[in-house]
Amino acid sequence: GAVVSQHPSWVICKSGTSVKIECRSLDFQATTMFWYRQFPKQSLMLMATSNEGSKATYEQGVEKDKFLINHASLTLSTLTVTSAHPEDSSFYICSARDRRLANYEQYFGPGTRLTVT
Amino acid sequence: GESVGLHLPTLSVQEGDNSIINCAYSNSASDYFIWYKQESGKGPQFIIDIRSNMDKRQGQRVTVLLNKTVKHLSLQIAATQPGDSAVYFCAETSAGNMLTFGGGTRLMVKP
Repeated sequence: GAVVSQHPSWVICKSGTSVKIECRSLDFQATTMFWYRQFPKQSLMLMATSNEGSKATYEQGVEKDKFLINHASLTLSTLTVTSAHPEDSSFYICSARDRRLANYEQYFGPGTRLTVT
Repeated sequence: GESVGLHLPTLSVQEGDNSIINCAYSNSASDYFIWYKQESGKGPQFIIDIRSNMDKRQGQRVTVLLNKTVKHLSLQIAATQPGDSAVYFCAETSAGNMLTFGGGTRLMVKP
């Protein structure tokens, strides 16, 4: 159980275009989903916390107008990178927390590799 | 395992040996800790967790030790196998808030 999927697994886009990444919890309902980005040989950096039905909370330094997050249901959150630039190229990972559980564990998706040319 | 610049610290061990990966955490209020394993091009995979009211927890071939006095966490892997080769991250959280990840340590297992 506790499977989180992401789509697409990788995407190449041209500078100036927008890209949408989906994060789904497949066998549980996620009250909260998290979006991270990871540069090569670095750790995961939290971008934003997404609660179903409410606005996402962004970490300091993350532009909310550039990284649009929508958490429309308990099983789906989307991250849209708007007007992407080469410096946005990164590995984007989502995670979800199971609302039934009292623990703090997050289940991670497989990640999405974004390359902006 | 704290990162130094863009270079992950690397631990190289012989297959069959035990591995110890260390992590210094930052928040004395953190009450829950997790070790994750991340293989290349994949998302983090849960290995083992521990709450702050414990100082040791054992899983299958893995043990996590927590020393709250010096804010130190370690992951011990017994009889390390080639499939254990990956980057390992510790993560901490306080009262169910966001996870804060450590810098990561790359484990390389030599056959």
